Amino acid sequence: NAGVTQTPKFQVLKTGQSMTLQCAQDMNHEYMSWYRQDPGMGLRLIHYSVGAGITDQGEVPNGYNVSRSTTEDFPLRLLSAAPSQTSVYFCASRGQRHSPLHFGNGTRLTVT
Amino acid sequence: DQQVKQNSPSLSVQEGRISILNCDYTNSMFDYFLWYKKYPAEGPTFLISISSIKDKNEDGRFTVFLNKSAKHLSLHIVPSQPGDSAVYFCAASYRGTNAGKSTFGDGTTLTVKP
Repeated sequence: NAGVTQTPKFQVLKTGQSMTLQCAQDMNHEYMSWYRQDPGMGLRLIHYSVGAGITDQGEVPNGYNVSRSTTEDFPLRLLSAAPSQTSVYFCASRGQRHSPLHFGNGTRLTVT
Repeated sequence: DQQVKQNSPSLSVQEGRISILNCDYTNSMFDYFLWYKKYPAEGPTFLISISSIKDKNEDGRFTVFLNKSAKHLSLHIVPSQPGDSAVYFCAASYRGTNAGKSTFGDGTTLTVKP
């Protein structure tokens, strides 16, 4: 049981490049979400999904796109990377509404 | 406007003593509160939670207290151990149509000195 798996662990992009951060969970959780953590700050919600085919925006959605074609996978796409998107990205999932979130180990992204 | 605030960025305590981490919130719709612990280069992991219908929840060395009138919660760790050194995040979620999204504070870095 791997839990929540994020790839890659590290990534360096040039401004304007696009890429996809991968997230997969094997716990059959309906709810999945993406957070970013900037230095000295908490986790800010980018996008979330309550089930396959359903996604919605969080606090900081601009510049990011998501889709949820299966229960297991929830990729995050950066459309045109900007230095302001340099951050650590965490994917998380949970079962029932107030169940704790299960986090992946993060992707550290640097945009130059 | 930040709805969940952890006003102490850092806390240092001696091994064996009590650690008290504080969290304030502004949204009275929040009805569930969780604490997560995060080590460097890892994702946060769940520590303990409390529902708004309770004022205390205990799990081993960890106790969370909720004061709804003050919109304040605190995490007590007794006794503190060096392995407790980590960043602690307070998070809150609420009923309604928001699917139980969690809002996080900025975290408190706890250092437990041997």
